[in-house]
Amino acid sequence: EAGVAQSPRYKIIEKRQSVAFWCNPISGHATLYWYQQILGQGPKLLIQFQNNGVVDDSQLPKDRFSAERLKGVDSTLKIQPAKLEDSAVYLCASSLGSGLGQETQYFGPGTRLLVL
Amino acid sequence: KNEVEQSPQNLTAQEGEFITINCSYSVGISALHWLQQHPGGGIVSLFMLSSGKKKHGRLIATINIQEKHSSLHITASHPRDSAVYICAVRKNKLIFGTGTRLQVFP
Repeated sequence: EAGVAQSPRYKIIEKRQSVAFWCNPISGHATLYWYQQILGQGPKLLIQFQNNGVVDDSQLPKDRFSAERLKGVDSTLKIQPAKLEDSAVYLCASSLGSGLGQETQYFGPGTRLLVL
Repeated sequence: KNEVEQSPQNLTAQEGEFITINCSYSVGISALHWLQQHPGGGIVSLFMLSSGKKKHGRLIATINIQEKHSSLHITASHPRDSAVYICAVRKNKLIFGTGTRLQVFP
């Protein structure tokens, strides 16, 4: 079974530029998550989708971050414009069901973003 | 204060040593996860616990719901165990600790 795929693996941009990350979850997984992990910290949930609907985006900086999962399968996360403090690893994860209760999330390899 | 605290932050060990990583949390939870993160960012789920103890190979995870505490043990540690170990608790969503960086030397 293929895992969660993410691209690109690495991205270096200058501040104020735009960047987009892509995630393809495990086939059949209804719930998709985007996390931001700043160096030395644990992951922080940015947004959670169930199919193509947003379940939780309370920690998403909506003035500059946006995400979509239009067909309920793959997803893109965009930052526009990027700031220095956005330098982090962006992790995508998916889970089979609704994401509630005791359910395993499967993580992708992450996209490492460096903003200069 | 973080809702999930891990200790130690960094840990070095010689191959073969018994290792313990601790996790304390301050919120009511439905489950606790132990995750392993290797350099490069990918995260692997090791255990999901709501009570008692689970064992998988050389890894053992325990949880005490009353004391809001969990431990991850590695027996006969090996250099390939070197990674960051993250504790995460499920409340309405996953809340992550900052991780314990483990290095095992031959």
